[in-house]
Amino acid sequence: DAGVIQSPRHEVTEMGQEVTLRCKPISGHDYLFWYRQTMMRGLELLIYFNNNVPIDDSGMPEDRFSAKMPNASFSTLKIQPSEPRDSAVYFCASRWEALTGELFFGEGSRLTVL
Amino acid sequence: KNEVEQSPQNLTAQEGEFITINCSYSVGISALHWLQQHPGGGIVSLFMLSSGKKKHGRLIATINIQEKHSSLHITASHPRDSAVYICAVARNKLVFGAGTILRVKS
Repeated sequence: DAGVIQSPRHEVTEMGQEVTLRCKPISGHDYLFWYRQTMMRGLELLIYFNNNVPIDDSGMPEDRFSAKMPNASFSTLKIQPSEPRDSAVYFCASRWEALTGELFFGEGSRLTVL
Repeated sequence: KNEVEQSPQNLTAQEGEFITINCSYSVGISALHWLQQHPGGGIVSLFMLSSGKKKHGRLIATINIQEKHSSLHITASHPRDSAVYICAVARNKLVFGAGTILRVKS
């Protein structure tokens, strides 16, 4: 398996623009997580899905953020409109509950909002 | 007070030294993870522990549930071990420590 695949790896955009980050989890994994990493706050959970259903979105900063998982192999994190304070690295991770619970991370999407 | 505290925040070692990174937590957990993040940003899961000790190559992780404490040890450290090591505790979701920045000099 190729691992968790995220795109884009880097995105630079202007304030007010819509940003869509994409994630393909490892096939067979039941859980998908979106994390944000900043220098100030470290790693934070934004939202996670179990079997494509959002379970906990309490970490989503505000209504400008939304996440979907239309099927088991694809998820998106959307920011609309983007703001400079959204600049961060966004990680997607997945795991298979029935196994060790080990998390597999994607390479991350580095977002810069000017 | 953060639920997960790591120490030290920064650590510089000479190649070959034995390294210990500590993680203390204040809440009940179902498991504890040790993660490694290299410059360039990718995150790799090193261990997931719920009790006792695990070993993988030169890396050893221990956990004491009663004392709410875990340690990550690196034996015979090497410059390629230079990375950020992050402790995360699993409750209904992962709660992360701030990370320990390790630099191993040759």
